Amino acid sequence: DAGVIQSPRHEVTEMGQEVTLRCKPISGHDYLFWYRQTMMRGLELLIYFNNNVPIDDSGMPEDRFSAKMPNASFSTLKIQPSEPRDSAVYFCASSFRRYEQYFGPGTRLTVT
Amino acid sequence: AQKVTQAQTEISVVEKEDVTLDCVYETRDTTYYLFWYKQPPSGELVFLIRRNSFDEQNEISGRYSWNFQKSTSSFNFTITASQVVDSAVYFCALSERETSGSRLTFGEGTQLTVNP
Repeated sequence: DAGVIQSPRHEVTEMGQEVTLRCKPISGHDYLFWYRQTMMRGLELLIYFNNNVPIDDSGMPEDRFSAKMPNASFSTLKIQPSEPRDSAVYFCASSFRRYEQYFGPGTRLTVT
Repeated sequence: AQKVTQAQTEISVVEKEDVTLDCVYETRDTTYYLFWYKQPPSGELVFLIRRNSFDEQNEISGRYSWNFQKSTSSFNFTITASQVVDSAVYFCALSERETSGSRLTFGEGTQLTVNP
């Protein structure tokens, strides 16, 4: 069984550019989560979806961040415009109902 | 509000030693779930165990064991006969069923280093 798939694995971009991170959850899972991990703030939940509907986006840092889930097998997290302080590892995770979350390998984003 | 505290920031042991990672949580819900995740140097987060609040039975899986005590709001994790491959950051997490939906609140993590 394939786990959660994220792309790209690494992204280096310049300040002001648009960045799009992609996630394919585990088939059959009905929850999808986006997290950000930094040394300073640890693991932070940005937003999560249930059956493709955003449920809680209170963790999205500001309007520059947006997330979509057009169908059960795909989600994107977009940052526009990107800033150096957005540099972090972004994880996508999925779960069946409210059980354990399975994480993807992460996308390491560097904004210069 | 829910909170998870992992007071041990870093632990260093020698291979074959037993080591216990502490986790203390706070919650207002009567129904909640507790989790442990492992993050090895490669960076991925690996699920280890889930416990619900109604099941205080301790669990053992190979060299890993978990001790859940509601009376002290603790969910500690013990590795017996540690190995170098156990070196990782370990996160304890909490999910409240009623008040926070499916949000996972993570502790700050404990960096475990097992030296040969």
